[in-house]
Amino acid sequence: GEDVEQSLFLSVREGDSSVINCTYTDSSSTYLYWYKQEPGAGLQLLTYIFSNMDMKQDQRLTVLLNKKDKHLSLRIADTQTGDSAIYFCAENDNQGGKLIFGQGTELSVKP
Amino acid sequence: ETGVTQSPTHLIKTRGQQVTLRCSSQSGHNTVSWYQQALGQGPQFIFQYYREEENGRGNFPPRFSGLQFPNYSSELNVNALELDDSALYLCASSSQGKEQFFGPGTRLTVL
Repeated sequence: GEDVEQSLFLSVREGDSSVINCTYTDSSSTYLYWYKQEPGAGLQLLTYIFSNMDMKQDQRLTVLLNKKDKHLSLRIADTQTGDSAIYFCAENDNQGGKLIFGQGTELSVKP
Repeated sequence: ETGVTQSPTHLIKTRGQQVTLRCSSQSGHNTVSWYQQALGQGPQFIFQYYREEENGRGNFPPRFSGLQFPNYSSELNVNALELDDSALYLCASSSQGKEQFFGPGTRLTVL
């Protein structure tokens, strides 16, 4: 079945790099996404990657996709306290409609 | 460009009541998806509407229903509310399904 898994917590120091990992099961997913959710707020789309790509870079964000291992990661360079939030990995289903989300990784950035 | 908006922000209901949540999609988007996010969990897909027709449904009972209007705004209706329906309800709009942009959500509490 469809499933997306993430580790629940990550703590880093300000200025360090953060790497958030995700594994998924649906090999037919066309796109994979990273969303950010701050307390009490909706989800903010950070970036997404097409399934035939290995890497995508967007300013401080780097997404790596290992399609063979069904592993997705998000690297945040020079992590700031404002990056503290919950980060969700998501895949779209094979018909492109629904998004299937992981449980979210809570990133805590210490000064 | 106006983003996705949802109303109301918060809502308190009692078991057995009915509720209607509203969503206005982002300008130019013709697809609306609804998600339920329980506390500490990732969002779960409820259903999607495209050009006023249901276009996919998640594992939710029939007491969860929806509508999409000609201007692409949407409603989520939940009948016979249960305690477990307490959650953040998120609406997302998209065009061609690639990127889904989320609204701030409606926090529903069922007592």
